[in-house]
This record gives sequence, C-alpha cells and structure tokens, in this order.
Amino acid sequence: GENVEQHPSTLSVQEGDSAVIKCTYSDSASNYFPWYKQELGKGPQLIIDIRSNVGEKKDQRIAVTLNKTAKHFSLHITETQPEDSAVYFCAAKDTGFQKLVFGTGTRLLVSP
Amino acid sequence: EADIYQTPRYLVIGTGKKITLECSQTMGHDKMYWYQQDPGMELHLIHYSYGVNSTEKGDLSSESTVSRIRTEHFPLTLESARPSHTSQYLCASSDHRDYEKLFFGSGTQLSVL
Repeated sequence: GENVEQHPSTLSVQEGDSAVIKCTYSDSASNYFPWYKQELGKGPQLIIDIRSNVGEKKDQRIAVTLNKTAKHFSLHITETQPEDSAVYFCAAKDTGFQKLVFGTGTRLLVSP
Repeated sequence: EADIYQTPRYLVIGTGKKITLECSQTMGHDKMYWYQQDPGMELHLIHYSYGVNSTEKGDLSSESTVSRIRTEHFPLTLESARPSHTSQYLCASSDHRDYEKLFFGSGTQLSVL
C-alpha cells in the first residue's frame, strides 16, 4: 500500500516569509495529492490539491508542485500571515484501496 | 448550510462506560469515515462506509464499532471505554462523484479516566 512521509514536523517562520512543506510517496501509481489545513479545535480542511497530470497548481498565496519521477510533492506558502499558523497534512490516494493516506503533519507557526 | 456535525465536542468518562460518538452530515454524501488522531497529530483511519449498511474496518485496528443505517448518520460506539481510547476522533464524508475530497467535522476529544 501507499506510504507518505512528510517533513518537517514543525516549521517556524516570520510573517511575510515563505514556507515550504515536503512530502514523498511510495506508490508510483498514485494520481491524486491533496493538502489539508487543520486549525486549532477544528477538523482538517482541504486547501489545494493536484493530480498527476499536472506539475504545479497555484491558488493565491499557496501553490503545490509535483515531481512524479522523484515521487515527491510540496506545498509552498508565500507572504505568510499569522492566520496561516496551523497543522498541514499532505496525502496521496492509495490506488489499491481507493483511500487517502495522510502524512504525519507539519505544525506551522507564523510569528508577527 | 451543508455541513458535517460531531457531538459531543468533548467527553470525559470513566473506564468501563459505553459511549457513542455521533456524526451527521447534511450534504447527502454516501461515503463516510472515522479517523483517530493521536497527540502526535497523525490521522489513522479506523472505519469507513461506502453507503447504507456498508461498514469496513480501516488501517488502524480499533475496538470501536460503527453502523450506517441512514445515509446521513455514522455513529461510533465503544462498548467499554479504557484509558487507551483517549484520543481525538474525527468524522469525515465525501461524495461518490468526487470521493477523494474529504469534508471533516470538528472532532470529539475523548478522555477516559
């Protein structure tokens, strides 16, 4: 089955800086890679996703890149703001079981 | 407004008690899921359902049970709670037309003393 590794586990940045979170996956047949944001006291919320036929996708200050050859994908947040502080999860779709496999999460702290 | 609701938000109970965590969604989604989130943040799938009268065990073994008698309702039951069951439980749902996109509830934080 699919295995997803996520780094770093914690990330501290100053407001206005960029933040990058990286994930690797094991199943070369995986074709869907979402990112979820979990704020304190809430459930995870989908913020952006990418499919394997696309190399990059942007939505305002967030972007996701995918390298199928290396089997890794990354979340990029530019001009970070304190409200970006949260736990971020990457995931990959396990093509065998048709379920999402989540990474271990990254706690992002943006200091004013 | 379409949403997914979990009750209670917090629950503190003694060992040996039977509990049921409620999850309801108003989006008409056919797929529903239960995740257990440990203090280290990891999300572990413990149960899922692809529709009424369909339930499957997830990747992480759990002593809990689930039922799916109605599309909108997916309760999780622990017959005899133990301190090892202390965790955050998250319910999620997705539509069969776009099943990869999960919608999560706010979770139930369970503490078993």
